[in-house]
Amino acid sequence: EPEVTQTPSHQVTQMGQEVILRCVPISNHLYFYWYRQILGQKVEFLVSFYNNEISEKSEIFDDQFSVERPDGSNFTLKIRSTKLEDSAMYFCASSYLSGGPNSPLHFGNGTRLTVT
Amino acid sequence: EDQVTQSPEALRLQEGESSSLNCSYTVSGLRGLFWYRQDPGKGPEFLFTLYSAGEEKEKERLKATLTKKESFLHITAPKPEDSATYLCAVQAAKETSGSRLTFGEGTQLTVNP
Repeated sequence: EPEVTQTPSHQVTQMGQEVILRCVPISNHLYFYWYRQILGQKVEFLVSFYNNEISEKSEIFDDQFSVERPDGSNFTLKIRSTKLEDSAMYFCASSYLSGGPNSPLHFGNGTRLTVT
Repeated sequence: EDQVTQSPEALRLQEGESSSLNCSYTVSGLRGLFWYRQDPGKGPEFLFTLYSAGEEKEKERLKATLTKKESFLHITAPKPEDSATYLCAVQAAKETSGSRLTFGEGTQLTVNP
């Protein structure tokens, strides 16, 4: 069964450094997402991306964050200057349509980002 | 603002002991309610989508139901491998948030042999 793959599985970085988290969505999917989960908290929406542009973003997704689909298969999340509070598990997801009853989101296994 | 509340926070069952998990929600126009399973250190794994009140979906020992205010995930004769955190999420039928899922805190289920 096709799956969403994320690399790396764990990233450690120092405060103020830039990080890029990478994702390969399911190949025929058109919508791409990033969510995050701080340890012990709920999964939170960051951003959705369709047709090479952001379709929706949350209040968390400020100017320090950006997303890109640099080629036909990869989808990336960049954090320009990491803060301690950015430490979390970051999940990439994809769907064929923009969700809804016949097009659920499929999630990768996440990148655990640790900012020291 | 869309809200999802799940109960209980944690549930411990003996193998074969059936029970139900609850997901209460408020959303301005429901586009879909989703159940996911999450194992430690893994991403959410899709289980079910429900859309309209009265709808039911089944998969092995799991059955999900939906009313206008809540959803239940019924677990019949659970096995230890059903141990996981079960997440409920809603998607609103809004122009500006057509794709955002709002998740609950989850119910951590442990099934003892």
